[in-house]
Amino acid sequence: QSVLTQPPSVSGAPGQRVTISCTGSSSNIGAGYDVHWYQQLPGTAPKLLIYGNSNRPSGVPDRFSGSKSGTSASLAITGLQAEDEADYYCQSYDNSLSGRNWVFGGGTKLTVL
Amino acid sequence: EVQLVESGGGLVQPGGSLRLSCAASGFTFSSYAMHWVRQAPGKGLEYVSAISSNGGSTYYANSVKDRFTISRDNSKNTLYLQMGSLRAEDTAVYYCARRVGGINTHCDYWGQGTLVTVSS
Repeated sequence: QSVLTQPPSVSGAPGQRVTISCTGSSSNIGAGYDVHWYQQLPGTAPKLLIYGNSNRPSGVPDRFSGSKSGTSASLAITGLQAEDEADYYCQSYDNSLSGRNWVFGGGTKLTVL
Repeated sequence: EVQLVESGGGLVQPGGSLRLSCAASGFTFSSYAMHWVRQAPGKGLEYVSAISSNGGSTYYANSVKDRFTISRDNSKNTLYLQMGSLRAEDTAVYYCARRVGGINTHCDYWGQGTLVTVSS
């Protein structure tokens, strides 16, 4: 059971827009900690996709965007391409009574139909 | 070019020990906090441990506390993870990653990972 909740899977056709949600609580996202997103292509290491809720590292296409509101965050991908098929993880920091910790969502598998 | 290269993974029996290394290059290693993150087969990412840039502060997930020890040698640009009392559930690919800034930040570079298998 991950501290951050993501849908296990989403899908979309090429060219479409999809969103992936990341739901936390008052001890992590709701406490003001930033949300970051990583893309993991099959058989490879995670790659930073979005940092600080909505910032893209150099080289990441502007088809990828992030947002945060309250205790949740979202990753949006527009103009879906076959190469976007991957697992996506959100990450934040949690400051709960059980301990301070960096936390990940359970991951969302994106399938391009 | 920033590079992180993990090594030291392998097959170990339950209750055994293993030390992972992460060789860093292409940046000033001593200026960055570092993390270990693992991924069990077919599962998601799990934070394992973190260490400050000078090694003075260390952090552990509850699942590995008192069994794993993170350390670094800034003169050798190398990060370590000493793993003890290993259990089957520690089987995973272990990644080292560079953290940008304080606790409220992200990891911008990741290594390719090293597989640890705990089995008899």
